[in-house]
Amino acid sequence: GAVVSQHPSWVICKSGTSVKIECRSLDFQATTMFWYRQFPKQSLMLMATSNEGSKATYEQGVEKDKFLINHASLTLSTLTVTSAHPEDSSFYICSARAYRDPVYSNQPQHFGDGTRLSIL
Amino acid sequence: ILNVEQSPQSLHVQEGDSTNFTCSFPSSNFYALHWYRWETAKSPEALFVMTLNGDEKKKGRISATLNTKEGYSYLYIKGSQPEDSATYLCASVSGNTGKLIFGQGTTLQVKP
Repeated sequence: GAVVSQHPSWVICKSGTSVKIECRSLDFQATTMFWYRQFPKQSLMLMATSNEGSKATYEQGVEKDKFLINHASLTLSTLTVTSAHPEDSSFYICSARAYRDPVYSNQPQHFGDGTRLSIL
Repeated sequence: ILNVEQSPQSLHVQEGDSTNFTCSFPSSNFYALHWYRWETAKSPEALFVMTLNGDEKKKGRISATLNTKEGYSYLYIKGSQPEDSATYLCASVSGNTGKLIFGQGTTLQVKP
């Protein structure tokens, strides 16, 4: 149980293109989803937290107009990198949790496989 | 400690060896400590979530301990097997933020 599917796995596109990444919970309702980014040899860094039906909460230093997050249903969240540039090239990964309340951060998060984004 | 730190960064052992890694995290306002195993081309898989000082958890040949007062957790693997080869991530949750702060991971390579 608790399977999260993330697509696409790999994207290569030209500078200036917008890229959408999907994160789906397949067998549970993901009230809360998290988006992380990982640069080479660095740790997973939280970009934003999204609760179903609400606006995402972005971490300091993450541009909300650059990284658009939509979480309109209990099984799907999307991250759109708008007008992507080479410095946006990174590994992006989502995770999901069935409960909204932060008190449930004593429960494991369920991760997708990640998306490798390369902007030329 | 302001960040979550893991050591060593990488480890190479022979099949059958037992090994352990360390995760150091901020002890103030501690809420929970997560361990994940991340195999190449797969998604991170939850191993343990620990909350209480002195907690010990076990899953097969893998076990973990927690010291919230001094801010560290150990992950032990007994009799390592090639299939244990992966990156092991720990993540700390402080207060009621619900946010996971990850370490850089320890990459384990088990040679047959």
